[in-house]
Amino acid sequence: DAGVIQSPRHEVTEMGQEVTLRCKPISGHNSLFWYRQTMMRGLELLIYFNNNVPIDDSGMPEDRFSAKMPNASFSTLKIQPSEPRDSAVYFCASSSSLTGFGNTIYFGEGSWLTVV
Amino acid sequence: QKEVEQNSGPLSVPEGAIASLNCTYSDRGSQSFFWYRQYSGKSPELIMSIYSNGDKEDGRFTAQLNKASQYVSLLIRDSQPSDSATYLCAVNIETGNQFYFGTGTSLTVIP
Repeated sequence: DAGVIQSPRHEVTEMGQEVTLRCKPISGHNSLFWYRQTMMRGLELLIYFNNNVPIDDSGMPEDRFSAKMPNASFSTLKIQPSEPRDSAVYFCASSSSLTGFGNTIYFGEGSWLTVV
Repeated sequence: QKEVEQNSGPLSVPEGAIASLNCTYSDRGSQSFFWYRQYSGKSPELIMSIYSNGDKEDGRFTAQLNKASQYVSLLIRDSQPSDSATYLCAVNIETGNQFYFGTGTSLTVIP
């Protein structure tokens, strides 16, 4: 089975440019998460969706960041305009939100963003 | 207060020794507990999950959970250089299917 698929794997962009990161969750998973990881702050939850609906976006750093999930198999994280401090690895992850124990979160390979 | 706390390390152990990684969490509503391993430049991968108090063993790995003390640990027996990585503790709060991660403990196994 395919895991969580992210694109692009690597992106280098100039400050002020728009960046769009894409994610396809594992088929059948109805929870999707966007994380950002840096050496200084570790793994930070930016936003997560249940059944395509944003549940908690309190981790989104500022209005320059936005995320959408138009359907169960696709999500985007957009940064506009990008700044050098946005340089990080952005992970998309998915999970099934069945009740009871056993929910596990699986990560994509990450999108490595460098803003110069 | 952070939801999940880990000692960032670095932790160094000689090859063949037992590595002990610890984690505490703050939300008593936490239902499921996980250990992820992350190699440099890679994404986190699940290595252990535990849901009830006590020990759970899988090969060289043993996860220990104490809900009363809000404490989770991971023991790695017969540590190998290939175990050198950052280990992330995570908890799942069933309500809303929230997952919280610690900042990770860096482990180095010295040959």
